[in-house]
Amino acid sequence: DTGVSQDPRHKITKRGQNVTFRCDPISEHNRLYWYRQTLGQGPEFLTYFQNEAQLEKSRLLSDRFSAERPKGSFSTLEIQRTEQGDSAMYLCASRGQGTMDYTFGSGTRLTVV
Amino acid sequence: GDSVTQMEGPVTLSEEAFLTINCTYTATGYPSLFWYVQYPGEGLQLLLKATKADDKGSNKGFEATYRKETTSFHLEKGSVQVSDSAVYFCALSINSGYSTLTFGKGTMLLVSP
Repeated sequence: DTGVSQDPRHKITKRGQNVTFRCDPISEHNRLYWYRQTLGQGPEFLTYFQNEAQLEKSRLLSDRFSAERPKGSFSTLEIQRTEQGDSAMYLCASRGQGTMDYTFGSGTRLTVV
Repeated sequence: GDSVTQMEGPVTLSEEAFLTINCTYTATGYPSLFWYVQYPGEGLQLLLKATKADDKGSNKGFEATYRKETTSFHLEKGSVQVSDSAVYFCALSINSGYSTLTFGKGTMLLVSP
């Protein structure tokens, strides 16, 4: 297993464009999390999936954000009509059932210009 | 709500010096506690964890003890190396529900030769 993979590593987009990020968790992990990290801050929780069900969303996840995990495997995070304030590192993490061991991906760094 | 407070950085040390990074928490339940490390441009790597009071987590010469009476989880290392230069995040997760991680703001460590 190669751990949690995120794609792309970097994304530069113009304000107002839509972007989509992908996360491939560890295959046997049924729990998947998205976090956002801005410069100089710790990661902040965005949303959580257990299998294909999205069970929790943070108030940080505005209407422009949507996340899916259609088959309980990989997940996508889409941001519509991007704003400069969306510039951040978007981190994905997965966790197996019955453990407290979270594994993070390397993140996708988004820059909105 | 749950929160984590870390000492502000940067912490600057010479190689082989003793390291302490303070971390305190507030939580409504009984959390598990974690230290993560982040190298420039990378995601988070789990450094160590403790799941109940008085547990000591240790890894790569780093240690932290879960102190329920002082709600603390201070990170220590007896002799730091240049390669330890990174940002260190203290985090907690409540052992129930969705178990999302709550992070501190991070402490940058800079070790000079």
